[in-house]
Amino acid sequence: AQSVAQPEDQVNVAEGNPLTVKCTYSVSGNPYLFWYVQYPNRGLQFLLKYITGDNLVKGSYGFEAEFNKSQTSFHLKKPSALVSDSALYFCAVRDKGYSTLTFGKGTMLLVSP
Amino acid sequence: DAMVIQNPRYQVTQFGKPVTLSCSQTLNHNVMYWYQQKSSQAPKLLFHYYDKDFNNEADTPDNFQSRRPNTSFCFLDIRSPGLGDAAMYLCATSDGLAQDTDTQYFGPGTRLTVL
Repeated sequence: AQSVAQPEDQVNVAEGNPLTVKCTYSVSGNPYLFWYVQYPNRGLQFLLKYITGDNLVKGSYGFEAEFNKSQTSFHLKKPSALVSDSALYFCAVRDKGYSTLTFGKGTMLLVSP
Repeated sequence: DAMVIQNPRYQVTQFGKPVTLSCSQTLNHNVMYWYQQKSSQAPKLLFHYYDKDFNNEADTPDNFQSRRPNTSFCFLDIRSPGLGDAAMYLCATSDGLAQDTDTQYFGPGTRLTVL
């Protein structure tokens, strides 16, 4: 079975400060990990994914995520937050050999001016 | 630009009146998915097509059906919508070449209201 947890319902950060949105996962094999962002009344936009290789993955809009196998985590980060980054962020996992994606419950990021 | 298109963006229907939601894609992807998302919750997979092969999730109600007449189009039919079916419905596609590492690309969604 595969599962993913996003322990924070909401993250608040001031514009210009670094941000972190947390994600932990559970799989029986090798994990394939994804981050998506959703703006109000819109679909999900793909940000980045980890398949293999370098533990630090760079994605769209200046976001990056660090894969940590020992802590089973895949936290999303950005060095300097923008107000326009305010949105709902979803972490997702797929176990090797599985075709369906399991999403976390989402974390609302609020960036204040 | 290659994309996933959903029509309409907003749909209002009456309790029990059948409704069809539409998804089209210009990505030429093999796999098309339908998700249901309620009020800022995680998307819930209803079913997906790998080419013409239909894959239904075990807990998807019989009230939900899908059709994929060709590679580009996929439809979600709700035979008798209930108040609990009000949600955002998301269509997604992936190329299907490596199903476990595939990226899914989402359309903008259709928000369904049931009166």
